[in-house]
Amino acid sequence: AQTVTQSQPEMSVQEAETVTLSCTYDTSENNYYLFWYKQPPSRQMILVIRQEAYKQQNATENRFSVNFQKAAKSFSLKISDSQLGDTAMYFCAQGGSEKLVFGKGTKLTVNP
Amino acid sequence: DTAVSQTPKYLVTQMGNDKSIKCEQNLGHDTMYWYKQDSKKFLKIMFSYNNKELIINETVPNRFSPKSPDKAHLNLHINSLELGDSAVYFCASSQIGASETQYFGPGTRLLVL
Repeated sequence: AQTVTQSQPEMSVQEAETVTLSCTYDTSENNYYLFWYKQPPSRQMILVIRQEAYKQQNATENRFSVNFQKAAKSFSLKISDSQLGDTAMYFCAQGGSEKLVFGKGTKLTVNP
Repeated sequence: DTAVSQTPKYLVTQMGNDKSIKCEQNLGHDTMYWYKQDSKKFLKIMFSYNNKELIINETVPNRFSPKSPDKAHLNLHINSLELGDSAVYFCASSQIGASETQYFGPGTRLLVL
């Protein structure tokens, strides 16, 4: 069975600082993909970053990067130079051959 | 242009009524999904369709019936609405399968009174 765990229900960070959101997952599949989605107060689900499990190199997208530890089944998201617009719910998700499974989310607040 | 659109965005209705939510994607994707997000923000898949065929039905009550007239549309019909159906419903699409990036619609907030 696929499971995704986000152990931090809420986090806060000062503007311009760096924050890391944790995610662990479990799957029996060998080929899978990992995602971080952002849901701002507008409730739109927005893809932040995507990682293919077969790639060792960590994905990076501007201020967003991941630390993918395949053996530990860990997939954390680092946000550098946090901005007020980063305030949102962040969902980690794991997609395999059948479906995308989401974690329960981390509510991130960026303080001015 | 909106990639994945849903109508309506808000739906307030009485218990026992029947309602539908429509979803359309103009991305040319083969696979479409319905998700339910509850009051605690937990997002769970309900259905997925690939090229009009049902692929996943996640133990959803049979009061919920998805319909895909073509691969660009996936509608959700809900019969005999219950209080517990109150949630935000998201439609999404991807090129093929759950390994591809899914693009989400804006969500439909359903409130059952």
